[in-house]
Amino acid sequence: SQQGEEDPQALSIQEGENATMNCSYKTSINNLQWYRQNSGRGLVHLILIRSNEREKHSGRLRVTLDTSKKSSSLLITASRAADTASYFCATAGVQGGKLIFGQGTELSVKP
Amino acid sequence: GAGVSQSPSNKVTEKGKDVELRCDPISGHTALYWYRQSLGQGLEFLIYFQGNSAPDKSGLPSDRFSAERTGGSVSTLTIQRTQQEDSAVYLCASSPRGEGNTEAFFGQGTRLTVV
Repeated sequence: SQQGEEDPQALSIQEGENATMNCSYKTSINNLQWYRQNSGRGLVHLILIRSNEREKHSGRLRVTLDTSKKSSSLLITASRAADTASYFCATAGVQGGKLIFGQGTELSVKP
Repeated sequence: GAGVSQSPSNKVTEKGKDVELRCDPISGHTALYWYRQSLGQGLEFLIYFQGNSAPDKSGLPSDRFSAERTGGSVSTLTIQRTQQEDSAVYLCASSPRGEGNTEAFFGQGTRLTVV
């Protein structure tokens, strides 16, 4: 069964606006990762946040993690049309090594 | 260096036939994952290999699905007696260490169509 649930399922914004996507999960984790997928093929890793971290930045990306609420958010600032893609969170459990992905958020950035 | 390579890119097969999908992970990566993605959906975990440990097969949807990883490198996902509901993109990923502690590198996937 899927570990992560993401919302919104779809998000449409104008270029220059910020985009926020949320991910919730059910069991304890070792870390949480965010990935991007263009055109329904291979995924690209964006950022990894460990269970003992609360916030992490990478360029225009900001990720937060709240282990008490079992949730994470991905913020993309000053969005660009090229950010249009599907974004997935993935969790690595404390016990096992497999990565479990959420259903994803489809982001559309309009020029 | 080369990334994760999957072949074929596309496969059309008749219902009832067997298919084999191949994944060449990045050299030296000990962990290898297979996922399935239906149109517009998330990634469904299928199987996970980590080094010489027994694979985690908990995601395989039926006994028609099997996978092996030879010599800790190349992996083959086999689907026997394919059904139309098997149509999806099958994604392979590898990572340098197991336990999900590092990022996974994905191949471009094999789009399987069962007619």
